[in-house]
Amino acid sequence: GQNIDQPTEMTATEGAIVQINCTYQTSGFNGLFWYQQHAGEAPTFLSYNVLDGLEEKGRFSSFLSRSKGYSYLLLKELQMKDSASYLCAVSPYAGNNRKLIWGLGTSLAVNP
Amino acid sequence: EAGVTQSPTHLIKTRGQQVTLRCSPISGHTSVYWYQQALGLGLQFLLWYDEGEERNRGNFPPRFSGRQFPNYSSELNVNALELEDSALYLCASSFRPTGGYHNEQFFGPGTRLTVL
Repeated sequence: GQNIDQPTEMTATEGAIVQINCTYQTSGFNGLFWYQQHAGEAPTFLSYNVLDGLEEKGRFSSFLSRSKGYSYLLLKELQMKDSASYLCAVSPYAGNNRKLIWGLGTSLAVNP
Repeated sequence: EAGVTQSPTHLIKTRGQQVTLRCSPISGHTSVYWYQQALGLGLQFLLWYDEGEERNRGNFPPRFSGRQFPNYSSELNVNALELEDSALYLCASSFRPTGGYHNEQFFGPGTRLTVL
C-alpha cells in the first residue's frame, strides 16, 4: 500500500530552526511536495523535490533522499506566522496519473 | 491575478440529499483537482479533470462525480449524502502537467459541507 508518515505535532520557539520529517512507502516515486496550511485556510505550495538533495527557498528548505524514502522541511528564523500545518505529499505514479498521496500533516506551534 | 474560487463557502444538507460544489480555476490553468479533507484525516484525492476529461479518480464511490466545462471550471456532485461526507472539499488547479513532472497546484478556499 501507499503510506506517508509525519509527526502529528511539533512545538518550537520564535527565531529558532525546526525540521519536519516525512517518510514514505509508495509503489513508485515521481516527486514529493510540501504544502503549508493555516487553520481554516487552503494549502499553499512550499516546495517540490524530485531529485535527491536540498532545495533552498528563503527561510524554507526541503531535502529528499529517494533511497531512504525520506524528506524533511527545514524552517529557519521561525516567526509566529509559521504556526500552521505542514503537509507532505508524494506522487507515486509517472506519466499522466497525477494522483497524490497526502500525509496527515504536522501541526507546528511557534511560541514567543 | 485572481486565485482559485469555490462556491458556496459553507453548506448544510441532510442525509440522502444531493449537493453540487463549484470551482473556477486560475486563468490559464486547464487542470482541476478535487480533494476531500475530513476532520482528523489527510487530504484525500477525489478527481482530476483536464481539458474537459476526467483523467483520474480516487477511491470514492460512484455517487461522487463531476465534470469540467469548456471554460475549465468544474463541478463536484455528491449524491445520496451520508454523514461521513461532512468535510472540507478543496479544489485546486494547475497548468497541464507536462513531461514526467508535476506543476504546482493552487488551492481554493474550500467548501465546508456539513451533513446532518
